[in-house]
Amino acid sequence: QVQLQESGPGLVKPSQTLSLTCTVSGGSISRGVYYWTWIRQHPGKGLEWIGFIYSSGSTYYNPSLKGRLTISVDTSKKQFSLNLNSVTAADTAVYYCARASSYNYYFDSWGQGTLVTVSS
Amino acid sequence: SYVLTQPPSVSVAPGQTARVTCGGNKIGSEAVHWYQQKPGQAPVLVVYDDRDRPSGIPERFSGSNSGNTATLTISRVEGGDEADYYCQVWDDRSDVVVFGGGTKLTVL
Repeated sequence: QVQLQESGPGLVKPSQTLSLTCTVSGGSISRGVYYWTWIRQHPGKGLEWIGFIYSSGSTYYNPSLKGRLTISVDTSKKQFSLNLNSVTAADTAVYYCARASSYNYYFDSWGQGTLVTVSS
Repeated sequence: SYVLTQPPSVSVAPGQTARVTCGGNKIGSEAVHWYQQKPGQAPVLVVYDDRDRPSGIPERFSGSNSGNTATLTISRVEGGDEADYYCQVWDDRSDVVVFGGGTKLTVL
């Protein structure tokens, strides 16, 4: 049973970079049948897809975040990461990492989520 | 971009059937996936590819998809089914994941 766990700072200052890492256990991150995904949820709101990365390194990003966003993968550490720069209060959210099927892009495993607050 | 429309709320009495809809242009030609999210918890996949259930999801959860509406049906609703439900598709015209706005299911 694959498990995902987010880690990173819970507080980020405005204009700085939000950096999170997701560690995958119980399964392979380099097996090329999954997309490794970031999703966020603003307080009291719905789910917003941020983007995902394939084990080869190819990425798909939400156009609304493109330009501020980088998702990378380190298969040797079984980790993938999110970097979102120039953050504002609007980036305050719970951030989830998840695993997506590369066939029909459904998310079958999720991390527990981590709240990131952007505030000075 | 592709838009998925869900009712904000659905209410149902215990033991009855709840239907949560997800509207989208020709959504019947897309693969629709459904998630259940309880307060303070991560979402859980309950139906994928319109009608398939992951292991561990009760048979009470079923899905259908045709025309401009996909539906998640929960039979014999229990108090533990009270949650937010989200539909989701992959928009291959724009290469983006799209979520519906979510529906809060209340068990009366």
